[in-house]
Amino acid sequence: KAGVTQTPRYLIKTRGQQVTLSCSPISGHRSVSWYQQTPGQGLQFLFEYFSETQRNKGNFPGRFSGRQFSNSRSEMNVSTLELGDSALYLCASSLGQVTTNEKLFFGSGTQLSVL
Amino acid sequence: AQRVTQPEKLLSVFKGAPVELKCNYSYSGSPELFWYVQYSRQRLQLLLRHISRESIKGFTADLNKGETSFHLKKPFAQEEDSAMYYCALGSGNTGKLIFGQGTTLQVKP
Repeated sequence: KAGVTQTPRYLIKTRGQQVTLSCSPISGHRSVSWYQQTPGQGLQFLFEYFSETQRNKGNFPGRFSGRQFSNSRSEMNVSTLELGDSALYLCASSLGQVTTNEKLFFGSGTQLSVL
Repeated sequence: AQRVTQPEKLLSVFKGAPVELKCNYSYSGSPELFWYVQYSRQRLQLLLRHISRESIKGFTADLNKGETSFHLKKPFAQEEDSAMYYCALGSGNTGKLIFGQGTTLQVKP
């Protein structure tokens, strides 16, 4: 089975622009979660989608949004980019809803640099 | 507030020495805890979860509710154990994992 696939691998944008990141989960997985990873803040939860519904969202401004399609693929969008949005964005998929015992499978991430 | 603390950024040991990576948590409910590992140039992956009470690659972790800790232990470190280790807390059925800042384990030959 192919693992979690994230595209693109690298992105360079300028302040004020918007960006869309894509995540294809492992075949059969219905839940997709997104995390932001920075050296200062570590891994921080952005949101989780299950069956096209956002179940939870982390403490990020409304500029961060996402969606999930019927094939479980997910996209994350960041509008009006700020320098502080530079980070590695990780996507993780799981078979079912991320409950207490669910195992997450992570992608390699998209490295976003905002200039 | 829900929080995970890994007090050591770097832990350096010699091959064959015992290893203990510390993790403390703050959570008012019944905690669900995990250890994730990231080897060099590889993806973040699950190492073990407390509910499974499993031992993976010789690592074990015991949940101590009294001390609110979930330390990761291995009796004899191997060079291939060198990696970044993250402790994570599952906050109920919210779909959210709270990660610690991570500890880099360096096993010297």
